Amino acid sequence: EPEVTQTPSHQVTQMGQEVILRCVPISNHLYFYWYRQILGQKVEFLVSFYNNEISEKSEIFDDQFSVERPDGSNFTLKIRSTKLEDSAMYFCASSEAVGAGNQPQHFGDGTRLSIL
Amino acid sequence: AQSVSQHNHHVILSEAASLELGCNYSYGGTVNLFWYVQYPGQHLQLLLKYFSGDPLVKGIKGFEAEFIKSKFSFNLRKPSVQWSDTAEYFCAAPTGANNLFFGTGTRLTVIP
Repeated sequence: EPEVTQTPSHQVTQMGQEVILRCVPISNHLYFYWYRQILGQKVEFLVSFYNNEISEKSEIFDDQFSVERPDGSNFTLKIRSTKLEDSAMYFCASSEAVGAGNQPQHFGDGTRLSIL
Repeated sequence: AQSVSQHNHHVILSEAASLELGCNYSYGGTVNLFWYVQYPGQHLQLLLKYFSGDPLVKGIKGFEAEFIKSKFSFNLRKPSVQWSDTAEYFCAAPTGANNLFFGTGTRLTVIP
């Protein structure tokens, strides 16, 4: 079964540094998402992406965050200047078509981001 | 937009015990609901989903959930749990067009 893959599995970064988290969505999927899960807390939506632009974003997704689909397969999340509170597990997801209501999202294994 | 809440934070059961994990939703138009499972060190996997129709939804691995509109609930059930069901379980609902609102999750520990 096709999977969403994320790299790296664990990223350790100094506070203030830029970090890029990478995702390869399922190949025929058109919608892409990033979620995060701070340790001990629930999974929170960050952003959705369709047709090379942001479709929706949450309050968490401020100017420090950006997403990009640099080529036909990768989908990246960049945090420009990391803060301690950015430490979390970041999940990428993809779905075939529009609408979280009736199109299941398939999740990657996540990248654990640790900010020192 | 919908939201969900889960009130069981950690449930510990012995193998073969029956399971019921609570999920309550807030009404926001068309009700669509999901249960996801996250096994230790793995990604979120879809267990089952409710869109409309039969309120009793069958999922993978012997799980089922019942949508009870009068109680605003969508509880997850399994008649007999196994050690391999040890995981974190998340109820979710769509909010906005393209994103999921997750509950806080319930950690299930099954003791052999």
